Amino acid sequence: NAGVTQTPKFRVLKTGQSMTLLCAQDMNHEYMYWYRQDPGMGLRLIHYSVGEGTTAKGEVPDGYNVSRLKKQNFLLGLESAAPSQTSVYFCASRPTGRHQPQHFGDGTRLSIL
Amino acid sequence: AQKVTQAQTEISVVEKEDVTLDCVYETRDTTYYLFWYKQPPSGELVFLIRRNSFDEQNEISGRYSWNFQKSTSSFNFTITASQVVDSAVYFCALSEGISGTYKYIFGTGTRLKVLA
Repeated sequence: NAGVTQTPKFRVLKTGQSMTLLCAQDMNHEYMYWYRQDPGMGLRLIHYSVGEGTTAKGEVPDGYNVSRLKKQNFLLGLESAAPSQTSVYFCASRPTGRHQPQHFGDGTRLSIL
Repeated sequence: AQKVTQAQTEISVVEKEDVTLDCVYETRDTTYYLFWYKQPPSGELVFLIRRNSFDEQNEISGRYSWNFQKSTSSFNFTITASQVVDSAVYFCALSEGISGTYKYIFGTGTRLKVLA
């Protein structure tokens, strides 16, 4: 069982470059999330989606865009990368139903030089 | 506003010692859920437990136990007879709302180091 798969696992970018992080889940979950994890700050929600074709802003959305064109995929885009976006990015999904646990991917370590 | 506090940034214990990780939360809702996740050195986040606000029974799973006390807004996690494999960062999280909030609020995590 693949669960939640994040691509790529590591990436180094130069300031100003753009890239897209892909999250794919094979559990038919409705809800998907993108978080960033920084030292001493836990996980902070960037954007989330409650179903195909929907997206919403989380706690720290600036500098990021997302799309959920297919139910199984949730894409996180950085249009013009900045050093402050150096972080570990986690995708998660969960099924419908009250307060179901989120299932996480293995993370993407992104460095912006 | 909802908030989760894990005041212990890092804890070191010697193998076989018991250790308790603290989690204190704030919420104005009467219906909410609390979670614990484990993040081992390999980096993935692993779900450990979910507890709803109407169930204050403590839970035990092997060497793990959880103590939920609404009176002190705490949901503490105890590892008995710790092992090196327990070394990880542990996160507590809160989800609130009768209709099912779509978002969790995570604490900043507690890094547990178990020394052989």
